Amino acid sequence: EPEVTQTPSHQVTQMGQEVILRCVPISNHLYFYWYRQILGQKVEFLVSFYNNEISEKSEIFDDQFSVERPDGSNFTLKIRSTKLEDSAMYFCASSTRDRGNSGNTIYFGEGSWLTVV
Amino acid sequence: AQKVTQAQTEISVVEKEDVTLDCVYETRDTTYYLFWYKQPPSGELVFLIRRNSFDEQNEISGRYSWNFQKSTSSFNFTITASQVVDSAVYFCALGRIQGAQKLVFGQGTRLTINP
Repeated sequence: EPEVTQTPSHQVTQMGQEVILRCVPISNHLYFYWYRQILGQKVEFLVSFYNNEISEKSEIFDDQFSVERPDGSNFTLKIRSTKLEDSAMYFCASSTRDRGNSGNTIYFGEGSWLTVV
Repeated sequence: AQKVTQAQTEISVVEKEDVTLDCVYETRDTTYYLFWYKQPPSGELVFLIRRNSFDEQNEISGRYSWNFQKSTSSFNFTITASQVVDSAVYFCALGRIQGAQKLVFGQGTRLTINP
């Protein structure tokens, strides 16, 4: 079964450093997303991406964050200057446009744990 | 504003017991999707079910069943004859029918099945 893959699974970085989290969405999906989950808390929407541009973003997704689809398969989240409060699990996800059984269902990757020290 | 409430923070039962996880939602949208996801100890989010707001039929999949009641804005999840492998955090989420999906998650219910 197709799946969303993410790298790295875990990254430790120093405060102020730049981090890039990478994702390969499911191949026929057209919408891409990043969500995050601070330890012990609920999952929160960060950003959605469609047709090579951001379609929606949350208040969390400030100027320190950016997303990019550098080629036909990868989707990345960059945090420009990490803060302690950026420590969280970051989930990449994707969905189709189909109105069929799987339409608009988000499938998540296994997550990337980011620890900022 | 949209909101999902999972009032049960933690549930602990003995294996083979039935258990129901509650989910109540708020939305002004007339059509929407409801989802359940499972987060096992390994951390990934596993899709379990999607329910359309205009389809109130209950659904059963093996030991899992879902009860959607639009009148009470609830979408409850029951595991019958629970097993240790069912131990996980379960999230209920509210989403859109069309366009880029923006899920609103509940706080999650940590389910522990004891042998």
